[in-house]
Amino acid sequence: LAKTTQPISMDSYEGQEVNITCSHNNIATNDYITWYQQFPSQGPRFIIQGYKTKVTNEVASLFIPADRKSSTLSLPRVSLSDTAVYYCLVGDRGSGGGADGLTFGKGTHLIIQP
Amino acid sequence: DAGVTQSPTHLIKTRGQQVTLRCSPKSGHDTVSWYQQALGQGPQFIFQYYEEEERQRGNFPDRFSGHQFPNYSSELNVNALLLGDSALYLCASSLWPPYEQYFGPGTRLTVT
Repeated sequence: LAKTTQPISMDSYEGQEVNITCSHNNIATNDYITWYQQFPSQGPRFIIQGYKTKVTNEVASLFIPADRKSSTLSLPRVSLSDTAVYYCLVGDRGSGGGADGLTFGKGTHLIIQP
Repeated sequence: DAGVTQSPTHLIKTRGQQVTLRCSPKSGHDTVSWYQQALGQGPQFIFQYYEEEERQRGNFPDRFSGHQFPNYSSELNVNALLLGDSALYLCASSLWPPYEQYFGPGTRLTVT
């Protein structure tokens, strides 16, 4: 499984755009990149998934460069309610993100201040 | 449309006891996965059920077992509880193959 590296924590302010970068140097050809969000005492929530270039939905954008060795989750105009832990996962989409189920690291704790 | 539900929400057990946690998948989903999340850590995959069979398993001992019923609901059983089993246990459901998983709120298990 491709190992991912992301910052342990980040701070930002309401109304700002936040970019969280994830490094995955040994990503495999079949691997997709998926981001989940988790609030305290809740289960993770799927945000976005992509394979290459750019993916956008109503919540976020995912930028993936041509070499696919990293990816950036972009959250536009964050609010206090975006304070959460964000996980970057890399794995085979056919098995739900990993050969052994979804593989979560420690994630990035994003704190949004007023 | 009901999402993933889990019961109970909280549970306190003593070392050596056995526990059963329950999960009902999101309507229309046929695949259930279980995860253990210790405090401050990301969720760790325990196992996954589809068509009432265990399809994948993470690095967890045989004390952890599960079952999926014909209505797609699932149970997680843990025998001979250890203090280290204290965690939030998450259930996730999806269609097969499990591209996008929907998580429930979890069951907080405390072992004393």
